[in-house]
Amino acid sequence: QSALTQPASVSGSPGQSITISCTGTSSSFGTYNFVSWYQQHPGKAPKLMIYEASKRPSGVSNRFSGSRSGNTASLTISGLQAEDEADYYCCSYAGSSTFWVFGGGTKLTVL
Amino acid sequence: QVHLQESGPGLVKPSETLSLTCTVSGDSVTSGSNYWSWIRQPPGKELEWIGYFYYSGTTNYNPSLKSRVTISVDRSKNQISLKLSSVIAADTAMYYCARGAGWNYAFDYWGQGTLVTVSS
Repeated sequence: QSALTQPASVSGSPGQSITISCTGTSSSFGTYNFVSWYQQHPGKAPKLMIYEASKRPSGVSNRFSGSRSGNTASLTISGLQAEDEADYYCCSYAGSSTFWVFGGGTKLTVL
Repeated sequence: QVHLQESGPGLVKPSETLSLTCTVSGDSVTSGSNYWSWIRQPPGKELEWIGYFYYSGTTNYNPSLKSRVTISVDRSKNQISLKLSSVIAADTAMYYCARGAGWNYAFDYWGQGTLVTVSS
């Protein structure tokens, strides 16, 4: 069982918005805000989409946004496009005893 | 641009030691403040952080794998290596090396991954 819980699947139609949740415990997140999100297409390596819960790396579309409230982090994708169909993983750096933990992943289907 | 490339045997027998190498270009594994990590993903399952090498020489491992894992560095080749001993079928996975950025603890660069199957 993953330390971070994500829904197994979400779906949406092109143009719509979806939100993927990532729920943990205080020990999963530690006292930090080092939550990151990764997009993984089939057969490919994960790609960083969000870091520090809400920041986007250079080159990532502004359709992707992140937030965190308490022990739940969220990834929102607005204006869904076919190319967004992929698996999404949250990850948290929880400090120098647990280090990094990942969520179980969410499969996004664009209808 | 930072590039990571994993290499190693694709098939390992049960009870033997899995050995993989990650060759890094565009950055140095022995400078900066990055956590050069190994991450694995069993087929159809989630990602699991295995451990890291920090430029200062520090290593740390996932507590669940700590007794079987060693991560080391070859400074002359700018490579990090992974050894996982006493492997079982559950260790079958895609193994990735990735750079954990020291300033935001996110994995910003990944290798393409290498599939390791544990089977006799």
